[in-house]
Amino acid sequence: GQNIDQPTEMTATEGAIVQINCTYQTSGFNGLFWYQQHAGEAPTFLSYNVLDGLEEKGRFSSFLSRSKGYSYLLLKELQMKDSASYLCAVRDRGYSTLTFGKGTMLLVSP
Amino acid sequence: NAGVMQNPRHLVRRRGQEARLRCSPMKGHSHVYWYRQLPEEGLKFMVYLQKENIIDESGMPKERFSAEFPKEGPSILRIQQVVRGDSAAYFCASSPPRGTGNMNTEAFFGQGTRLTVV
Repeated sequence: GQNIDQPTEMTATEGAIVQINCTYQTSGFNGLFWYQQHAGEAPTFLSYNVLDGLEEKGRFSSFLSRSKGYSYLLLKELQMKDSASYLCAVRDRGYSTLTFGKGTMLLVSP
Repeated sequence: NAGVMQNPRHLVRRRGQEARLRCSPMKGHSHVYWYRQLPEEGLKFMVYLQKENIIDESGMPKERFSAEFPKEGPSILRIQQVVRGDSAAYFCASSPPRGTGNMNTEAFFGQGTRLTVV
């Protein structure tokens, strides 16, 4: 079966660093994605990992360990606008169909 | 270059009516995916289509739901005889043909259609 777990919600302070974890058990693996979704809006792409290691992209970084079925999204220098839901998704087939976790609601406070 | 366009943004239907949700993919994209997002739930895959073909409908309920992506025009997700449990946000995503585009940003999402069944 397909199972993707991530915390339901997290809180952090403006300017801080936060790490959002994601664990997965899927029948196949062809890449792990992180999306950001503001309330009432479309999910927007943040990062993609297919090989083990860290991918850095500005204030956002994503890490993958395929042997552990584990990923995290690291957000640095948090801003108020980073308050959103962060979705972990696995591409478990050859095309772009994604299996999503339930999302982690991040609240950034002043 | 317009993104993925979905309409309507909001749709209200009475129980038993039909709902039609439309999705126009990004220019140059030939693959369309429909997802459903229930309150407090993650996005759930429903169906994957290419022009005039259903590639994977393993996430579609067996009854009342259908999808198409004709040669001309948008992709349509059709829900017949809607029930309260169909109330959700329905998102469409598109991606370019295989072998083109950027593998790590394949799926671009539309703004979604929020269906409310009363």
